Amino acid sequence: EVQLVESGGGLVQPGGSLRLSCAASGFTFSNYWMTWVRQAPGKGLEWVANIKQDGNEEYYVDSVKGRFTVSRDNAKNSVHLQMNSLGAEDTAVYYCARLAFGGVIPRNDYWGHGTLVTVSS
Amino acid sequence: QTVVTQEPSLTVSPGGTVTLTCASSTGAVTSGYFPNWFQQKPGQAPRALIYSTTNRHSWTPARFSGSLLGGKAALTLSGVQPEDEAEYYCLLHYGGAQVFGGGTKLTVL
Repeated sequence: EVQLVESGGGLVQPGGSLRLSCAASGFTFSNYWMTWVRQAPGKGLEWVANIKQDGNEEYYVDSVKGRFTVSRDNAKNSVHLQMNSLGAEDTAVYYCARLAFGGVIPRNDYWGHGTLVTVSS
Repeated sequence: QTVVTQEPSLTVSPGGTVTLTCASSTGAVTSGYFPNWFQQKPGQAPRALIYSTTNRHSWTPARFSGSLLGGKAALTLSGVQPEDEAEYYCLLHYGGAQVFGGGTKLTVL
């Protein structure tokens, strides 16, 4: 059974940093891209970042470029999101999702339950 | 900045049919944007429904179908059930990046 479990959320002051983790199980982690998506309270979904299987390609939404870094540890079946210079606009539930490719066809099929990040003084 | 637009809200009667659409500010949505659709109920994580325009996941009920319609991606629900009341999001792929639509709140009434 595919499982994705996020952790690392919490309360952080504006300007602070936080590192989120997503532990994967039930599939060959190193074969898949991974995605981070966030959802501010009462708002819609926002794609945040993607990372390739080997970690050599990363993509970010413009609003987090230069502040967030996605990384992965294939030996530990985990993906991380390092978030720096946090602001109130980063307050959200952060989800990790598997990004599968059938040939060139992408699909975010499995999702974690999310971890809440609150940026407030 | 690319914007993906969905209807903010729609209402459908139980047993009815409804179509949700997904437009891109860059122009017509084509299969090359690999449209995905997700369902989200309050307090839950999103659940994948459709990928690459028309493909259902193994768990997606047959009453959900995807298509391209008038330059937009579309999600049609046929024989709507009360449990289909939820927020629905489309997702388009732009190279290595992805953009979600703002979501459609579907009410079954």
